[in-house]
Amino acid sequence: NAGVMQNPRHLVRRRGQEARLRCSPMKGHSHVYWYRQLPEEGLKFMVYLQKENIIDESGMPKERFSAEFPKEGPSILRIQQVVRGDSAAYFCASSPKIASLYNEQFFGPGTRLTVL
Amino acid sequence: GENVEQHPSTLSVQEGDSAVIKCTYSDSASNYFPWYKQELGKGPQLIIDIRSNVGEKKDQRIAVTLNKTAKHFSLHITETQPEDSAVYFCAASLYMDSNYQLIWGAGTKLIIKP
Repeated sequence: NAGVMQNPRHLVRRRGQEARLRCSPMKGHSHVYWYRQLPEEGLKFMVYLQKENIIDESGMPKERFSAEFPKEGPSILRIQQVVRGDSAAYFCASSPKIASLYNEQFFGPGTRLTVL
Repeated sequence: GENVEQHPSTLSVQEGDSAVIKCTYSDSASNYFPWYKQELGKGPQLIIDIRSNVGEKKDQRIAVTLNKTAKHFSLHITETQPEDSAVYFCAASLYMDSNYQLIWGAGTKLIIKP
């Protein structure tokens, strides 16, 4: 059973370009979470999605950032018109289909975004 | 809403000594408290957790204690080894907006000195 997969692992963009980060949850998982981590800092929650639904996007900037988790395919975190401050590691986590208080979140290896 | 505070932000201990990381939470409705370990260049991984009906849980060299009255929980690592060097995150699980969500602490960077 493959773990959470994220690609690309490293992404370099110039200011003003778009960044697309992909996350494939573990098999059987239908809850996906995106986090941002700046160097030497903790995890910052961005958005929580279920299939075709955004459940909580309170941690995601209102502008330039969007996320989706379609019925088929991976979850996508999209950052438009990137700026240097977007440089960070972006982690995706997934948890099982049945909502439970004790759901473990399984993390992917992260995508390290560098904006030049 | 729930707020989780974690201390210290950095902890340096001699190899073989014990390390203790503490977290406090604000919402008494939180019932589940996991700890995650993040090694350099990797995503966090669950290492131990505790449920609100338990005061202490142990797994080999790591243990977690929970004081529901005081709303704090702690991670204890005994006989520390170089491979324990990592960033550790605590979290509290809360039922919010019809779903269960984890509220995270800011992390503790644990450095094991040889």
